[in-house]
Amino acid sequence: DVVMTQSPLSLPVTLGQPASISCRSSQSLVYSDGNTYLNWFQQRPGQSPRRLIYKVSNRDSGVPDRFSGSGSGTDFTLKISRVEAEDVGVYYCMQGTHSKYTFGQGTKLEIK
Amino acid sequence: EVQLVESGGGLIQPGGSLRLSCAASGFTVSSNYMSWVRQAPGKGLEWVSVIYSGGSTYYADSVKGRFTISRDNSKNTLYLQMNSLRAEDTAVYYCARAGGGSWGQGTLVTVSS
Repeated sequence: DVVMTQSPLSLPVTLGQPASISCRSSQSLVYSDGNTYLNWFQQRPGQSPRRLIYKVSNRDSGVPDRFSGSGSGTDFTLKISRVEAEDVGVYYCMQGTHSKYTFGQGTKLEIK
Repeated sequence: EVQLVESGGGLIQPGGSLRLSCAASGFTVSSNYMSWVRQAPGKGLEWVSVIYSGGSTYYADSVKGRFTISRDNSKNTLYLQMNSLRAEDTAVYYCARAGGGSWGQGTLVTVSS
């Protein structure tokens, strides 16, 4: 199975400052159709997960443009350009390329 | 508007069975790939199973042979049949559309004697 490794697992950030989360996969996430099915999710306290980014770098509807995704192959990054109070929560990467999907362990973002 | 509503969770003894339902509206379940994802108390997200529009299904090793994903096209509903339940299956179970573009509110399954 593909192992997704996120870092850091805890991310204290000052309001207005940038934040970055890394996600590495144990195998390439490039599918046979040429797409890379790497998604990012946000889970605020007490809420269901919400997808922010799909296929590495595509923002979902309604997601602020301060969120961006990048990467290729086995190495991916979620960046928040300026952290706001509403960004507190846990962030997960997930691969949907291989038939058994897998999530990263989660990165807990908190305000410093 | 896309909506997913899970139901069927509850308290069940180890070794028991439970069937979760996920009623969808605003889109057609059979035209999408649909997943079940679970979250144990205080833990991260764990993918459980997926069913593709063509009917192919896949499972996490932790539930393979015990859980079965299915859908009823006439009811536009996704199911998860869970057998031989264990304490470690205790979690909130979410259904999700496609690559997680939409999620339900979750239903809690507690396996305990």
